[in-house]
Amino acid sequence: DAGVIQSPRHEVTEMGQEVTLRCKPISGHNSLFWYRQTMMRGLELLIYFNNNVPIDDSGMPEDRFSAKMPNASFSTLKIQPSEPRDSAVYFCASSPRQGLAYGYTFGSGTRLTVV
Amino acid sequence: TQLLEQSPQFLSIQEGENLTVYCNSSSVFSSLQWYRQEPGEGPVLLVTVVTGGEVKKLKRLTFQFGDARKDSSLHITAAQPGDTGLYLCAGEHGNNRLAFGKGNQVVVIP
Repeated sequence: DAGVIQSPRHEVTEMGQEVTLRCKPISGHNSLFWYRQTMMRGLELLIYFNNNVPIDDSGMPEDRFSAKMPNASFSTLKIQPSEPRDSAVYFCASSPRQGLAYGYTFGSGTRLTVV
Repeated sequence: TQLLEQSPQFLSIQEGENLTVYCNSSSVFSSLQWYRQEPGEGPVLLVTVVTGGEVKKLKRLTFQFGDARKDSSLHITAAQPGDTGLYLCAGEHGNNRLAFGKGNQVVVIP
């Protein structure tokens, strides 16, 4: 298995532009998570899906952020409009049906820089 | 407020020395996990502990879960440069959700 695949690896965009981050979870994993990592705040959960359904989006900073999971093999995180304070590394992770005993598998992340 | 506090935030040691880092909380967790993250990559799971007082060993790494399931420690024996990384603890917080600490940055100097 190729693991959790995220794209792009790096994104530099200007303030006000729309940014879309993509994630392909491990096949057979039924939970998908979006995290944001910064030096100041560490890893913060933004939203998670179970069987493609959003369960908890209380971590999404504001209405500029949205996430979708149209099928079991693909999810997107969109920021519109982007702001410099959104600069961070965004991680996608998935976990198996069996639950936390197997832990999360993380992708390599997308480093977003908003200038 | 951080649910999980990790200390020290940064630790630099010489190859061959031992080290211990800590993960503390005022909350009780049903399980706790440790991950290691290397630059430019996502965290990778090292171990899961579920029973109060549990000790697990992974080669030179020893993980302990506190009796009250509120804290944990990671001890590395005879550290090697390959142990360099950010060590993250994470506690189960709600249904299949993990809350992470900010991490212990460990640097092992050859």
